[in-house]
Amino acid sequence: DGGITQSPKYLFRKEGQNVTLSCEQNLNHDAMYWYRQDPGQGLRLIYYSQIVNDFQKGDIAEGYSVSREKKESFPLTVTSAQKNPTAFYLCASRKEGRDFGYTFGSGTRLTVV
Amino acid sequence: AQTVTQSQPEMSVQEAETVTLSCTYDTSESNYYLFWYKQPPSRQMILVIRQEAYKQQNATENRFSVNFQKAAKSFSLKISDSQLGDTAMYFCAFMGGTSYGKLTFGQGTILTVHP
Repeated sequence: DGGITQSPKYLFRKEGQNVTLSCEQNLNHDAMYWYRQDPGQGLRLIYYSQIVNDFQKGDIAEGYSVSREKKESFPLTVTSAQKNPTAFYLCASRKEGRDFGYTFGSGTRLTVV
Repeated sequence: AQTVTQSQPEMSVQEAETVTLSCTYDTSESNYYLFWYKQPPSRQMILVIRQEAYKQQNATENRFSVNFQKAAKSFSLKISDSQLGDTAMYFCAFMGGTSYGKLTFGQGTILTVHP
């Protein structure tokens, strides 16, 4: 079955460390997105990519980086510059065109220890 | 920039009754899409219903329906015959016609269905 897979489900980061969250999809979707979810603030867009080797900053890109070397993969790195990284991170994908529906991954919970 | 506002942080309803969740949005675009997503305790995001702004008819999906008031920029969700499985966080979301598929979310409403 096609879907979008995020790993790991839980991740712990020490102060000053970079960590990478994985997002893989086998839906042949063109666009991929990373959102951050904090209590009481809904979901906020970090980065998005519409095609391979191209990506754009979202509303809260500072302290994060991404790459899109393959259509199927859109990893998110949380760098040490992100001062408050504890949050729930959701990856999503979407096929370009009139089919504007999102498919979401199951999320990664990142905690700073 | 678009904004989406959900003014009800929490709502509760008795099983089998009807509840309405509110959502307002602000945009200067004329072509856009609106969504309601459900996030149960598993935290998996599930699409409940969507509405295309150019369609005047309100969308319905089984027990879920919307009241789309374009002039008022209002997009409320009505859940009929509420079930225990409807207990979840509900997000209203906006996608502009020229936004490259980016979604802008409201703050969410926690809905609890009581037996």
